Amino acid sequence: GDQVKQSPSALSLQEGTNSALRCNFSIATTTVQWFLQNPRGSLMNLFYLVPGTKENGRLKSTFNSKESYSTLHIRDAQLEDSGTYFCAADLPGTGSNRLTFGKGTKFSLIP
Amino acid sequence: GGIITQTPKFLIGQEGQKLTLKCQQNFNHDTMYWYRQDSGKGLRLIYYSITENDLQKGDLSEGYDASREKKSSFSLTVTSAQKNEMAVFLCASSINNYAEQFFGPGTRLTVL
Repeated sequence: GDQVKQSPSALSLQEGTNSALRCNFSIATTTVQWFLQNPRGSLMNLFYLVPGTKENGRLKSTFNSKESYSTLHIRDAQLEDSGTYFCAADLPGTGSNRLTFGKGTKFSLIP
Repeated sequence: GGIITQTPKFLIGQEGQKLTLKCQQNFNHDTMYWYRQDSGKGLRLIYYSITENDLQKGDLSEGYDASREKKSSFSLTVTSAQKNEMAVFLCASSINNYAEQFFGPGTRLTVL
């Protein structure tokens, strides 16, 4: 099965609303990265997390290593937040920082 | 700051053809990576390199070769292009092999 599971797979919301994306890991991981892939295909770094919480503007992300999950909260969603959000984890036993990616959450805004 | 450039942006080849994709970074990062992204899916690791002249296989290395000619560049060769490997190929780099990864804009491969 998938070692990094993202949910939901797709999300359509109205502008100004709040949302939460989740990433579950089937085995323990030490770091998590969150990316936004814009409609042109570029991957933008959002967060690089060790266990704990980080915040940047309207985005907030938490990594709970004991329960093997990470969340990304988007507050007051805007059109520029549209795209596909990916989480990725460095899973043990793979050596170095070999990121394993989830399948993504496709996020779209309804104006 | 720094930048990762990938060339070409779009690559069209014939089935069975050998094709090379190039990646350059000016972050002075030690580790570089090649990922493949199929339409609507996540990324899968093809090859990575932790230093100049080093090569490590990823999960999807069959059908590909890679070369780390110098610290700033990492190239990927599709040894015999197949129609089922039309995808976007993304290069990344990180300061060392346990750090945050940064991605280039990608090369979209089409096989006719």
